[in-house]
Amino acid sequence: TQLLEQSPQFLSIQEGENLTVYCNSSSVFSSLQWYRQEPGEGPVLLVTVVTGGEVKKLKRLTFQFGDARKDSSLHITAAQPGDTGLYLCAGVDDYKLSFGAGTTVTVRA
Amino acid sequence: DSGVTQTPKHLITATGQRVTLRCSPRSGDLSVYWYQQSLDQGLQFLIQYYNGEERAKGNILERFSAQQFPDLHSELNLSSLELGDSALYFCASSSWTRNNEQFFGPGTRLTVL
Repeated sequence: TQLLEQSPQFLSIQEGENLTVYCNSSSVFSSLQWYRQEPGEGPVLLVTVVTGGEVKKLKRLTFQFGDARKDSSLHITAAQPGDTGLYLCAGVDDYKLSFGAGTTVTVRA
Repeated sequence: DSGVTQTPKHLITATGQRVTLRCSPRSGDLSVYWYQQSLDQGLQFLIQYYNGEERAKGNILERFSAQQFPDLHSELNLSSLELGDSALYFCASSSWTRNNEQFFGPGTRLTVL
């Protein structure tokens, strides 16, 4: 059983479209991280959100941490083929990470 | 490049065998984590070491064991291998900050035939 639920499981969109990935939990976390993993490689940390309600922007990526620190979202504006990958969220509690199952994003050229 | 190295990149072996996976953390990181990633289970935390000592255990089978050496590199030993052990095994390291931001190696793909 995943502590963190990610939705949707798969997402396929055309280049230039926007997309949002969700990460939900019934548990409260001290912080939440987003990683992107490309085929055959290890996950790469994108961002850490710490404060409830926090919004962080990384170029075309916008990350939001819920007010109650139980959920988060990742929004990509004007997606590009280079955004293709598996997006994983991870909740941090007492130095331990719990990963969601991930959302596989495919951006078609 | 995360600075975390893992060897070997690929490993093919038979059921019942034993293998050892190796990981070198980023320079200065004292914590090493091992994860298993399979299609049906996602990324599962196995075990964590901090400066040579076991710090946390996750869903690690009794057939699996790990250790961290004085030079901080770590090894994951998998024994009595079964078909279901086929997966990607990742090592990650961190500097033990409150947010525990982890840096992952490229992984070892284990295939058990």
